[in-house]
Amino acid sequence: GESVGLHLPTLSVQEGDNSIINCAYSNSASDYFIWYKQESGKGPQFIIDIRSNMDKRQGQRVTVLLNKTVKHLSLQIAATQPGDSAVYFCAEKPYKYIFGTGTRLKVLA
Amino acid sequence: GAVVSQHPSWVICKSGTSVKIECRSLDFQATTMFWYRQFPKQSLMLMATSNEGSKATYEQGVEKDKFLINHASLTLSTLTVTSAHPEDSSFYICSAVSGGASYEQYFGPGTRLTVT
Repeated sequence: GESVGLHLPTLSVQEGDNSIINCAYSNSASDYFIWYKQESGKGPQFIIDIRSNMDKRQGQRVTVLLNKTVKHLSLQIAATQPGDSAVYFCAEKPYKYIFGTGTRLKVLA
Repeated sequence: GAVVSQHPSWVICKSGTSVKIECRSLDFQATTMFWYRQFPKQSLMLMATSNEGSKATYEQGVEKDKFLINHASLTLSTLTVTSAHPEDSSFYICSAVSGGASYEQYFGPGTRLTVT
């Protein structure tokens, strides 16, 4: 189904800990997935992507895991920093981009 | 990296007037541009897909006569909100795709529209 407007869930993480943000996607035909970071009043910023022929991809301090069996995507952020505080969206692309509801990450000092 | 700009970054207009928002790809040619709107604490909702030189494809529920999209060149797309009402107040974000084998879309910084 399409992304629907809901109040954002919040994940609070202690600075230095690892963060795991989860996303359930909806379309089995999706072949491309992206994680975006959005700071208040700004447009989304690309973090990392993964194609459906992969189940894991690593970037700098970030890892995306894809489980196609249960249509689940996760973003792991290592050694979370205050600058990581933002709203994180997953997006899937079957024939168009569909955004998930988003998760607010709060980093506690 | 690829840069997409939007202008204006914020605008306040009176109910009944029209507002034009520009989206430009600064260092690449965008075969496709997308327009999204985002309400506070909510996700991005795709409004329309704009391909250079052709009519935009609107998502279900989006009024094409109210939200006019023009993609006149490979670096510019415009969204005009006609006869704006307070319920049109939102954050409007564009993105651009360079095409080819790349799926990656580059987002603009967004435009905050407030209709009084």
